[in-house]
Amino acid sequence: NAGVTQTPKFQVLKTGQSMTLQCAQDMNHEYMSWYRQDPGMGLRLIHYSVGAGITDQGEVPNGYNVSRSTTEDFPLRLLSAAPSQTSVYFCASSSLMTSGRWGTDTQYFGPGTRLTVL
Amino acid sequence: AQTVTQSQPEMSVQEAETVTLSCTYDTSESDYYLFWYKQPPSRQMILVIRQEAYKQQNATENRFSVNFQKAAKSFSLKISDSQLGDAAMYFCAYPGGNYQLIWGAGTKLIIKP
Repeated sequence: NAGVTQTPKFQVLKTGQSMTLQCAQDMNHEYMSWYRQDPGMGLRLIHYSVGAGITDQGEVPNGYNVSRSTTEDFPLRLLSAAPSQTSVYFCASSSLMTSGRWGTDTQYFGPGTRLTVL
Repeated sequence: AQTVTQSQPEMSVQEAETVTLSCTYDTSESDYYLFWYKQPPSRQMILVIRQEAYKQQNATENRFSVNFQKAAKSFSLKISDSQLGDAAMYFCAYPGGNYQLIWGAGTKLIIKP
């Protein structure tokens, strides 16, 4: 049971380049999400998904794209990288409603990706 | 708007002593969960403890316990017998609407040997 895996762990891009951050989980979780973490700002939600084929925007979605074709995978695409997207990115997953409602389950996090955009 | 506030950007404590990290939140809900997560230098986020709002008893996990004051919307984390391995960023989180967790800005905990 690998939990939540993310690749790559580190990445350097030039402004304007595109790339995909990979996220996979093997716990059959319905809910998956992407966060960015910047100093002094905690975690900010980029996009989330409540199941295969269903995605929605979080607090800071601009410049990012997601898809969820399977329960296991939830890739994050940077369309045209900008220096403002320099950050640490985390993928997380959880059961959606073990207790019958949202927000009762533990979030399981990947190890993070440190992205630098020059 | 639902918010989570951690007013202490940094705290330090002597090894083996007790420290309390504060968290306040704003919600109009009556039944909800609250969470504390830890992020050590390895960057891996892990759950420390969670509290169900309708339970009057404060949650406890070994040396970690919460002081939950529902009326005051306060959710403090107490760490007893602090150890060097407790050094980390600690985040308070509240499940807001639309499947979005709301996070505090975090408190950096320093353990002095």
